[in-house]
Amino acid sequence: EAQVTQNPRYLITVTGKKLTVTCSQNMNHEYMSWYRQDPGLGLRQIYYSMNVEVTDKGDVPEGYKVSRKEKRNFPLILESPSPNQTSLYFCASSLWSGRATDTQYFGPGTRLTVL
Amino acid sequence: GNSVTQMEGPVTLSEEAFLTINCTYTATGYPSLFWYVQYPGEGLQLLLKATKADDKGSNKGFEATYRKETTSFHLEKGSVQVSDSAVYFCALIQGAQKLVFGQGTRLTINP
Repeated sequence: EAQVTQNPRYLITVTGKKLTVTCSQNMNHEYMSWYRQDPGLGLRQIYYSMNVEVTDKGDVPEGYKVSRKEKRNFPLILESPSPNQTSLYFCASSLWSGRATDTQYFGPGTRLTVL
Repeated sequence: GNSVTQMEGPVTLSEEAFLTINCTYTATGYPSLFWYVQYPGEGLQLLLKATKADDKGSNKGFEATYRKETTSFHLEKGSVQVSDSAVYFCALIQGAQKLVFGQGTRLTINP
């Protein structure tokens, strides 16, 4: 089954404790992206990757890191989480044909709470 | 920059009612437009899309027409069901696959 998986689905942590949220897709997609969803703000892009070893900042990158060492994986790293990073996080992937029309497929989400 | 504005929610309707969720956008050039749906506890799923002016996207009884003259992409359904209860997001994409979302509209359908 074609899918995007994220782990963990739920996480409660404390300020300053480094954490990683994993994202994996089995569709051989070039493009992957991380979004955060906050009430009243919709989804905002954190980072994206056009292919292996190619990453770039989205709209709200502060406090986050990413890496793309393999095509299927795109982990989101919070080196020193803070309470304002409490949010619902989504990973997405799509083909990259050079046209801005390809459908993005979303993971089930990771609900993160930073105390 | 590019932006998307959706009608404020929540929206509550009775089963079989007609649904409209308004969406307008601001963008340079010709973005592609999308409606995504988020069912409770799940990630976003593509509902429909339109890639050029006057295109109509449709799926599961939902429709939306890309209106460049009014910069709109309103979502409609003629007869809603309880199973349509979800959060609906209008979005546009331009350039390097970056989706720009509206704030979302929560829809509740009562039997």
